[in-house]
Amino acid sequence: DTGVSQNPRHKITKRGQNVTFRCDPISEHNRLYWYRQTLGQGPEFLTYFQNEAQLEKSRLLSDRFSAERPKGSFSTLEIQRTEQGDSAMYLCASSSPPGRETQYFGPGTRLLVL
Amino acid sequence: TQLLEQSPQFLSIQEGENLTVYCNSSSVFSSLQWYRQEPGEGPVLLVTVVTGGEVKKLKRLTFQFGDARKDSSLHITAAQPGDTGLYLCAGLIQGAQKLVFGQGTRLTINP
Repeated sequence: DTGVSQNPRHKITKRGQNVTFRCDPISEHNRLYWYRQTLGQGPEFLTYFQNEAQLEKSRLLSDRFSAERPKGSFSTLEIQRTEQGDSAMYLCASSSPPGRETQYFGPGTRLLVL
Repeated sequence: TQLLEQSPQFLSIQEGENLTVYCNSSSVFSSLQWYRQEPGEGPVLLVTVVTGGEVKKLKRLTFQFGDARKDSSLHITAAQPGDTGLYLCAGLIQGAQKLVFGQGTRLTINP
């Protein structure tokens, strides 16, 4: 399978705990994006990387959120001190170089904070 | 303020009927993508439209990008129960890299 993969698919945690999600993009896609989707809404942009550089962060990305893409391949999204409002589907997408901006999404990680 | 207004948000029709979903904005998009999303899964790309006035067909689905690249529509002919799902439009704002999504249209086709 050469699509975008995300792990874990589901995560249940208690308020105040830290969680980390992983995204593996389509190979050779140099752009990687994180979005968050709450129930009944469309996805909202969080941040994106071009290779290993994080080029844009949304105001939605509070200081409890951090994303990395250290080698320009896979990416991690960490949420520290989780809150119930963090419960959502976290989606990763990737795209190829400029001129082909179509973004392909992974299956998502559904987070539930109790 | 929703940058991309998608309508209707819910639509329930009988098998065999036709339907149209609309996405409208005051912003110009360099491209617009339509996705379909199943419960608990990520959005799956249906089509990307890039040129103003462009029309693309995918079997019974017809996608159109407005001449000014501010709006788009999805038309389904002779809807089938297998078309049931959440349809999302998403626009790439000129000069930016992030997609802006509509609220989605939850479509139900009744047998």
